[in-house]
Amino acid sequence: EAGVAQSPRYKIIEKRQSVAFWCNPISGHATLYWYQQILGQGPKLLIQFQNNGVVDDSQLPKDRFSAERLKGVDSTLKIQPAKLEDSAVYLCASSLDLAGTGELFFGEGSRLTVL
Amino acid sequence: GDSVTQMEGPVTLSEEAFLTINCTYTATGYPSLFWYVQYPGEGLQLLLKATKADDKGSNKGFEATYRKETTSFHLEKGSVQVSDSAVYFCALRAPSGYSTLTFGKGTMLLVSP
Repeated sequence: EAGVAQSPRYKIIEKRQSVAFWCNPISGHATLYWYQQILGQGPKLLIQFQNNGVVDDSQLPKDRFSAERLKGVDSTLKIQPAKLEDSAVYLCASSLDLAGTGELFFGEGSRLTVL
Repeated sequence: GDSVTQMEGPVTLSEEAFLTINCTYTATGYPSLFWYVQYPGEGLQLLLKATKADDKGSNKGFEATYRKETTSFHLEKGSVQVSDSAVYFCALRAPSGYSTLTFGKGTMLLVSP
């Protein structure tokens, strides 16, 4: 079974530029999550989708971050304009559904460096 | 709000040593508790979990017991191997309705031969 796919693995940009990350969850998984992991910290939820609807985006900085999950499958997370403090690993995860066992399956992450 | 506190790393051990990584939590009600592991260059993966008080989760020689009275979920292994070197994350899932995971900061484990 294919795992969660993310791209790109690495991205370096200058502040005020824009960047987009892509995620393809495990086939059949209804719930998709984007987490931000800053160096030395645990993952922090940015946004959670159930199919193509947003369940929780309370910690998403909406002035610069946006995410969509058209058709309820793959998802894109965009940052525009980027700030230095956005340097982090962006993790995508999926699970069968919202109220399942609680097991999330993670991709390898996309590492962003903002200069 | 919900939170998870883990012991700071890195934890450095020799092969076959006993491992304990402490984890305590703050949450309303009775959350589910998890340990995730991240090996170098890989994504996080579930190591073990416990969904109610006094449950013991176990996998690959690792164990953790859900202690409601001390709000703890310490990770233990009797004899670590070099291949156990990784970052370990404790996490909780609130019991109310649909919710995601709240993670601790992670503890790096380094095992030398």
